[in-house]
Amino acid sequence: GDSVTQMEGPVTLSEEACLTINCTYTATGYPSLFWYVQYPGEGLQLLLKATKADDKGSNKGFEATYRKETTSFHLEKGSVQVSDSAVYFCALNDYGGSQGNLIFGKGTKLSVKP
Amino acid sequence: KAGVTQTPRYLIKTRGQQVTLSCSPISGHRSVSWYQQTPGQGLQFLFEYFSETQRNKGNFPGRFSGRQFSNSRSEMNVSTLELGDSALYLCASRRDGGGTNEKLFFGSGTQLSVL
Repeated sequence: GDSVTQMEGPVTLSEEACLTINCTYTATGYPSLFWYVQYPGEGLQLLLKATKADDKGSNKGFEATYRKETTSFHLEKGSVQVSDSAVYFCALNDYGGSQGNLIFGKGTKLSVKP
Repeated sequence: KAGVTQTPRYLIKTRGQQVTLSCSPISGHRSVSWYQQTPGQGLQFLFEYFSETQRNKGNFPGRFSGRQFSNSRSEMNVSTLELGDSALYLCASRRDGGGTNEKLFFGSGTQLSVL
């Protein structure tokens, strides 16, 4: 079945460091890909998405490119801030199922130190 | 506009009991999905409801059930609780106007602890 694999955390960075969180997927169809973020004590929020190959999603300085050839959707940010500390989830939505059914990776906890 | 509201925020139960969790979607949203979040398994899809009908279900035992009311509010029920049911249960809603990849809005969750 479809699945998402993302790098294990936790990831600890200093403020202004570069961030990359790796995400790869397995899907039978042509999924849409998402990054969600969960701040402490809160629910998940959509960070960015890409719906087809070579699309680049971006938001709040984060970006990720849908790479069909490598089945990847790595999350990147050039300069992280303390406020970026959160858990990041990569997810996919396969059109074969309902749009409300997201398949998530296990999450990567990011801690940014001042 | 109010977000997705889940009640209660925290819940403590003992093994063998049953529990009901509630979710009020964003006004105008007709689809409600439920997810279980645990440290070991991560986020797992439970089920999705639309127009009072379950239209998709994840791989959970029959002890997990849900329903949706005519006002789109949803409840999920877990019977005969087990220790492994301890988790954060998240509800998410979307408008479901038929467009692809509508944005899901998540609530803050109900933290269930089974003792």
